[in-house]
Amino acid sequence: QKEVEQNSGPLSVPEGAIASLNCTYSDRGSQSFFWYRQYSGKSPELIMFIYSNGDKEDGRFTAQLNKASQYVSLLIRDSQPSDSATYLCAVSLGSQKLVFGTGTRLLVSP
Amino acid sequence: DAGVIQSPRHEVTEMGQEVTLRCKPISGHDYLFWYRQTMMRGLELLIYFNNNVPIDDSGMPEDRFSAKMPNASFSTLKIQPSEPRDSAVYFCASSLGWEYQETQYFGPGTRLLVL
Repeated sequence: QKEVEQNSGPLSVPEGAIASLNCTYSDRGSQSFFWYRQYSGKSPELIMFIYSNGDKEDGRFTAQLNKASQYVSLLIRDSQPSDSATYLCAVSLGSQKLVFGTGTRLLVSP
Repeated sequence: DAGVIQSPRHEVTEMGQEVTLRCKPISGHDYLFWYRQTMMRGLELLIYFNNNVPIDDSGMPEDRFSAKMPNASFSTLKIQPSEPRDSAVYFCASSLGWEYQETQYFGPGTRLLVL
């Protein structure tokens, strides 16, 4: 079992819809959770991090964490074609070391 | 700030040759990370440094890989000898590292192709 699992997609949503990206992790000691966005041919860039159970909102993005279920998600409201990218979930055990999932490819159609 | 700088951006070499990848972290960042990204395995941490000292090299695939950080503004990742399975995008990242939620800033990556 991989430490951090994501559905590879692609996840296709129409412009203006809500995109829901999911991630599960195996280590219950995980403390911090990150969502990175990676455009094709580019480097990853941080969108959000979360470390407490519940929701964290930042503009059109909402991260949701459920430690009991070992589940973290990213919701993108009012999806735009410019949101089309691969979204990487990453987990930290409390150190600077991150373990990444293989990413979910999101396609937002106009 | 210029961000994390990596060179070269592209490298094509033949099997058996030595490859050296270079990284300049963001000034003032205490942590430096080397990652490798492939379609099959995703983004994998190879090694990371804190204040120029290697902290965790458990991700280094084998003895053919080595990394150094002689000073706060420069790091190298060396592969000797290179093999076709080393073909990947290699990213360097840096962070301030004061908190465990600290953002890692990635460089543009080096695309390595070993023939």
